[in-house]
Amino acid sequence: QSALTQPASVSGSPGQSITISCTGTSGDINFYHYVSWYQQHPGKAPKLVIFDVSNRPSGVSNRFSGSKSGNTASLTISGLQAEDEADYYCSSHPSNTPDWVFGGGTKLTVL
Amino acid sequence: QITLKESGPTLVKPTQTLTLTCTFSGFSLSTSGLGVGWIRQPPGKALEWLALIYWNDDKRYSPSLRSRFTITQDTSKNQVVLTMTNMDPVDTATYYCALKYCTGGSCYWAFDYWGQGTLVTVSS
Repeated sequence: QSALTQPASVSGSPGQSITISCTGTSGDINFYHYVSWYQQHPGKAPKLVIFDVSNRPSGVSNRFSGSKSGNTASLTISGLQAEDEADYYCSSHPSNTPDWVFGGGTKLTVL
Repeated sequence: QITLKESGPTLVKPTQTLTLTCTFSGFSLSTSGLGVGWIRQPPGKALEWLALIYWNDDKRYSPSLRSRFTITQDTSKNQVVLTMTNMDPVDTATYYCALKYCTGGSCYWAFDYWGQGTLVTVSS
């Protein structure tokens, strides 16, 4: 089963931009197409903020954006706000399996 | 309005079988392309995908857990049921059900609607 690696924590000040990385298994073609990102506040269910690497569901702020480079996908949050403080998880559908995998999560602290 | 809600016991003993029910509204699981999955999260830890059932009764399981899990659907009751055998304290977690994201006639590898989650503790 593929593993997705995320940094344990990132931080930024209000108004700044931060980027959270998600590194997949090299050569996994699906990783480059099917990465999604979730925001989870304490005690709450996850919320989808990005799907298919860089697409935003309706209603998600355009301060959230996704991208990829090589075998690393990234979530960027611009114009940081206090409400963005949460845990963020990447997820993907590895090639040639029915699996769904999640990364280990990144805690975002807004200073 | 789409909603999902998990229900089941909050405490089970080791080796027992756990049955969780996801009751949903606002959509029909007989609609082509739709799927409902189960994801769990141990306290303070990451999300872990467990299983998914599609509109056509196609079932997918996490390879590491498939021998213990069974997912079924009752379309008439708008429910998806996850059964887990031989429960262990490491299975203590909040269990979520979630709807695979579909919009504009296409479905994607993501979950957009989630239940509130139900905490299951495995302890003697």
